[in-house]
Amino acid sequence: DQQVKQNSPSLSVQEGRISILNCDYTNSMFDYFLWYKKYPAEGPTFLISISSIKDKNEDGRFTVFLNKSAKHLSLHIVPSQPGDSAVYFCAARLVNTDKLIFGTGTRLQVFP
Amino acid sequence: GAGVSQTPSNKVTEKGKYVELRCDPISGHTALYWYRQSLGQGPEFLIYFQGTGAADDSGLPNDRFFAVRPEGSVSTLKIQRTERGDSAVYLCASSSSAGTSEAFFGQGTRLTVV
Repeated sequence: DQQVKQNSPSLSVQEGRISILNCDYTNSMFDYFLWYKKYPAEGPTFLISISSIKDKNEDGRFTVFLNKSAKHLSLHIVPSQPGDSAVYFCAARLVNTDKLIFGTGTRLQVFP
Repeated sequence: GAGVSQTPSNKVTEKGKYVELRCDPISGHTALYWYRQSLGQGPEFLIYFQGTGAADDSGLPNDRFFAVRPEGSVSTLKIQRTERGDSAVYLCASSSSAGTSEAFFGQGTRLTVV
């Protein structure tokens, strides 16, 4: 079963606008949630994380929101830039482990 | 080097052969992870090392897969009797200590079993 789900395989946004990437999870035994960005032929690059005891974390143009009651998190990128075009993976860390469970990814395209 | 290095970047092997994939973590990083990414999927956890020991190998799919980290730095993922279903990108990551939320990934080794 897919414990971490990214239901939108792709998203297209105009430069300067907000990009919102969504992620749902089914397991309550996660203590950290992370977003990774991946360019072709490269490994995933860590972007931003949030502890399960928080509901928001902001880092520059990137903000992650966590809604524990809905088991939902989202990544907001504002303003979006063409260099943000990549595949974004949501990941969750199981409590008392160092194991990350990844979603299937959302391909973001930011066009001029 | 400054980042996680994986070699080879690409490996094509025949079904039934044995392969080794190597990972050089960031210097000083004690935690090392192996993940596997199949086409259209997110990375899937295989095994995690803290120092020289495998702290969690629950993601290894079967006993054809084995990984070592004898000196607590470089790690090798070994696959015996490869099958076509083993074709994937194998990703290695390292972090400065267990329990940190941020792990740094290498570029991966693309394994193709023909």
